[in-house]
Amino acid sequence: QQQVKQSPQSLIVQKGGISIINCAYENTAFDYFPWYQQFPGKGPALLIAIRPDVSEKKEGRFTISFNKSAKQFSLHIMDSQPGDSATYFCAAIGEKAGGTSYGKLTFGQGTILTVHP
Amino acid sequence: KAGVTQTPRYLIKTRGQQVTLSCSPISGHRSVSWYQQTPGQGLQFLFEYFSETQRNKGNFPGRFSGRQFSNSRSEMNVSTLELGDSALYLCASSLDTSRQFFGPGTRLTVL
Repeated sequence: QQQVKQSPQSLIVQKGGISIINCAYENTAFDYFPWYQQFPGKGPALLIAIRPDVSEKKEGRFTISFNKSAKQFSLHIMDSQPGDSATYFCAAIGEKAGGTSYGKLTFGQGTILTVHP
Repeated sequence: KAGVTQTPRYLIKTRGQQVTLSCSPISGHRSVSWYQQTPGQGLQFLFEYFSETQRNKGNFPGRFSGRQFSNSRSEMNVSTLELGDSALYLCASSLDTSRQFFGPGTRLTVL
């Protein structure tokens, strides 16, 4: 019940295209859903996050869509650029659950995004 | 504000040795979480500390331990190293445990 499933494993898009990465979760106690971007040799960087009381959040070219009933959320990268080439991780945490949820982000397996110029 | 710092950045150890990794959180952050990242298992939660108390622990053997100091700096220790402990060890700091900011990691290689 703690899993977060992420797809696809890898994604290739052309410059200017839309990149879409999907995640699904099972634990209904999850109530905060961040996305991280990781470049080789670096730690994950927080990109954008959403709580389940909204269905969409947009920050620049990055948008999270959230479907609470389906327990799914996705990251859309508009106008993808070669500099967006990185590994993207979705994650989830139960802020209000306490106990075994304290500080524990559960991550998807990651998506390697390649944007061709 | 300065970001999360981790030292050392790279470590090479042999089986059976022990290692201590250090993490300095963002100023004002009292929660520090540790993760292990490997190609096969991805990002796995190790433990979380808040105000010097371990509040949560992941599914790792007792060889993995940690602590947090009064200035919120944290250390993790791995004893009796095994080849499978080779990984990138990441710490993340947070004000509220959810919005976590990661350091660059310590790359541990066990030979």
